[in-house]
Amino acid sequence: GAVVSQHPSWVICKSGTSVKIECRSLDFQATTMFWYRQFPKQSLMLMATSNEGSKATYEQGVEKDKFLINHASLTLSTLTVTSAHPEDSSFYICSASHEHQETQYFGPGTRLLVL
Amino acid sequence: AQSVTQLGSHVSVSEGALVLLRCNYSSSVPPYLFWYVQYPNQGLQLLLKYTSAATLVKGINGFEAEFKKSETSFHLTKPSAHMSDAAEYFCAVSKGNQGGKLIFGQGTELSVKP
Repeated sequence: GAVVSQHPSWVICKSGTSVKIECRSLDFQATTMFWYRQFPKQSLMLMATSNEGSKATYEQGVEKDKFLINHASLTLSTLTVTSAHPEDSSFYICSASHEHQETQYFGPGTRLLVL
Repeated sequence: AQSVTQLGSHVSVSEGALVLLRCNYSSSVPPYLFWYVQYPNQGLQLLLKYTSAATLVKGINGFEAEFKKSETSFHLTKPSAHMSDAAEYFCAVSKGNQGGKLIFGQGTELSVKP
């Protein structure tokens, strides 16, 4: 149980385009989902926390207009990187947790390369 | 504020040897502590967690960790390393339930030599 999927697993796009990444909880209802960014050989940096039906809470320094997060259902959250630039290239990982539970379950990650 | 420090960005052991990955935390409230493993180009997999029950926590793949409040530590151990244990390991702390934010350590890369 507690499986989280991400789609796509990797994406290459041109500078200036937008990219949408999906995060799904496959066998549980995720009241809270988290989006992280990871640079090579570094730890995970929390970008934002999203609760189903609410606006996402962004961490300091993360541009909410650049990284649009939607959590429209208890099993799906999306991250849209708008007007992507090469510096947005990174590994994006989502996680999800049950209501009132302390454990986050992570997706397999999405590698984004912006040319 | 909460924080996590993992001592040693890289640890190398021989196959069959003891694995010890160090994690120290700071927290103003009783913490929940986690160890996750990450294989290359993959997400994180939960190894084990401490949530204020037994201080010695057993996880998957033969790993265990002991919560020591006096030392503010939560070190990860495995008696005998396997080649398949080579990966990146992350210690994390949270304030607990309701999907609390995780604060991650810097990570420790474990190499296992044949």
